[in-house]
Amino acid sequence: EVQLVESGGGLVQPGGSLRLSCAASGFTFTNYYMHWVRQAPGKGLVWVSRISGGGSSTNYADSVKGRFTISRDNAKNTLYLQISSLRGEDTAVYYCARERSTGGDALDIWGQGAMVSVSS
Amino acid sequence: QSVLTQPPSVSGAPGQRVTISCTGSSSNIGSIYDVHWYQQLPGTAPKLLIYGNNNRPSGVPDRFSGSKSGTSASLAITGLQAEDEADYYCQSYDSSLSGSVFGGGTKLTVL
Repeated sequence: EVQLVESGGGLVQPGGSLRLSCAASGFTFTNYYMHWVRQAPGKGLVWVSRISGGGSSTNYADSVKGRFTISRDNAKNTLYLQISSLRGEDTAVYYCARERSTGGDALDIWGQGAMVSVSS
Repeated sequence: QSVLTQPPSVSGAPGQRVTISCTGSSSNIGSIYDVHWYQQLPGTAPKLLIYGNNNRPSGVPDRFSGSKSGTSASLAITGLQAEDEADYYCQSYDSSLSGSVFGGGTKLTVL
């Protein structure tokens, strides 16, 4: 079964750091671009970041540039998001998602989400 | 404020047809970039509904269809059912931002 499972969420103080993980299974992980998307409580989806299959190319939303780092370990079939200098507005459910191999940047497989709460 | 603009809400009675619009600009929908649509049921992760403007992934009913024209796109749902009540999001790529962008989302209520 094709699956993505996030972990690493939790409660963090403002200015703190956290690393989210996304374990992939059921497909050849290295063949796919991967994304992070977040959703603040009661709000809409916001794209965060994207990484190429080999990991050499990355893109970020302006709101997280310089604070978030996307990476992947293809040997472990795992995607990461290192988030630092956390602010209250970073409070959200963070989803990892797989980009379709064809059809533009459509995201065809999503994880269940990891909640990150930023509060003192 | 989202780069792609969607109506906050739409509604329709069972069996009716509803459409959800998604308006962008020349740096996203109005360019070469495709539009994709997602359905998010309460408390669950988003699900891909339409990709590449008008293509349905396996398992998505043909009651759902998409279109794109100029700087706008639309999602149409025919034969509305109670289980279609959800939030719907459009997505595209924006060359000015060098990244993907989502619409603000539309809440569909089945009356």
